[in-house]
Amino acid sequence: QQQVKQSPQSLIVQKGGISIINCAYENTAFDYFPWYQQFPGKGPALLIAIRPDVSEKKEGRFTISFNKSAKQFSLHIMDSQPGDSATYFCAASRHNNAGNMLTFGGGTRLMVKP
Amino acid sequence: NAGVMQNPRHLVRRRGQEARLRCSPMKGHSHVYWYRQLPEEGLKFMVYLQKENIIDESGMPKERFSAEFPKEGPSILRIQQVVRGDSAAYFCASSPRWGGLTDTQYFGPGTRLTVL
Repeated sequence: QQQVKQSPQSLIVQKGGISIINCAYENTAFDYFPWYQQFPGKGPALLIAIRPDVSEKKEGRFTISFNKSAKQFSLHIMDSQPGDSATYFCAASRHNNAGNMLTFGGGTRLMVKP
Repeated sequence: NAGVMQNPRHLVRRRGQEARLRCSPMKGHSHVYWYRQLPEEGLKFMVYLQKENIIDESGMPKERFSAEFPKEGPSILRIQQVVRGDSAAYFCASSPRWGGLTDTQYFGPGTRLTVL
């Protein structure tokens, strides 16, 4: 199975709060898990990514938590800001001879209220 | 270093016409991926190309859609005889190489196709 399921579809957080977005995958062959941020009218931009040999990766206010046994990973945005308001996509890929095509989740529309 | 460029940014076509979408990868990148994003949905992989080669087109509809990445010039996604269901945002992404577990794909701004 190539599906990646993402929740919630939308999220409203107060400024300074923690935003949490969850993803689950089925294909155990996936070996790269990036998160992308997309603003209206723009292309997705890589935010942070993780490989399954680590359980957590932190870059500034953004943290990925990875649970290999549960086949789940999540994005935590600490001290959320209005400028973080965007759509976030998790993705997964399997590195093989035919490239690194990404399988995306359905997206989470985040709104951070001032 | 310019990013991934796509043109046109917006394209309007009537049913039955052809749509040509262009993608110029980042300088030094030789791998191009095309994705389609329907309204309120995630991106879906369509095709992966290297210079002069289609590597994987498993996500491409069998009819009316084709893609190329010639030795010189941009990658082109071509949709013949467009239908209303083709209305979507089409994104291309480029990566510098294949061979690394974390080869980042850099996305362009997309082409928003509207079929009337």
